[in-house]
Amino acid sequence: AQSVTQPDIHITVSEGASLELRCNYSYGATPYLFWYVQSPGQGLQLLLKYFSGDTLVQGIKGFEAEFKRSQSSFNLRKPSVHWSDAAEYFCAVGTLNSGYALNFGKGTSLLVTP
Amino acid sequence: GAVVSQHPSRVICKSGTSVKIECRSLDFQATTMFWYRQFPKQSLMLMATSNEGSKATYEQGVEKDKFLINHASLTLSTLTVTSAHPEDSSFYICSVTARTGGSPLHFGNGTRLTVT
Repeated sequence: AQSVTQPDIHITVSEGASLELRCNYSYGATPYLFWYVQSPGQGLQLLLKYFSGDTLVQGIKGFEAEFKRSQSSFNLRKPSVHWSDAAEYFCAVGTLNSGYALNFGKGTSLLVTP
Repeated sequence: GAVVSQHPSRVICKSGTSVKIECRSLDFQATTMFWYRQFPKQSLMLMATSNEGSKATYEQGVEKDKFLINHASLTLSTLTVTSAHPEDSSFYICSVTARTGGSPLHFGNGTRLTVT
């Protein structure tokens, strides 16, 4: 069965520290991979996406993610976290066959401490 | 600027009434529109896929007679929650795939529905 797993429900990091949010997927077809951020009561903002090509993807706000096919992972990273990065982060997976209907992970809530 | 407009952003209605949510693509023709639902502190779940000029395809467990989807044009899809009940209170969000060019997927800002 197709699935998207974000193992960490909550993560707390200090401002200025590095961040890595994990995402694993299980899909039969070649996946399209996305990371979205959601602030409370707000819609989704796309941070970055991977369709093909270079497996290291650069996104907005200093985020990057690396697609590792062998590990079925698409982890999100940021070298130095800012207090404004506190939000809910969702990994999402789609396939060409799904026509961009996305399967979302359960999300990781990021808390940034001073 | 925004390429997908979702309206209203918030709505409060009484139990038993119906609510219509609009999703418009502003700068392009939308091949397909998707409707998602997000309960508090949960993830987004796909409700249905809407293609212009054809009936929507609903995910398992989503009542098609309760959540009416109309995709009458290439730029507009509507979701109507009929006979709303408090358990329908949720965050509803649409996404749109572009017919040509650019990033293929855009999300609206969502609609917060509260049924009293």
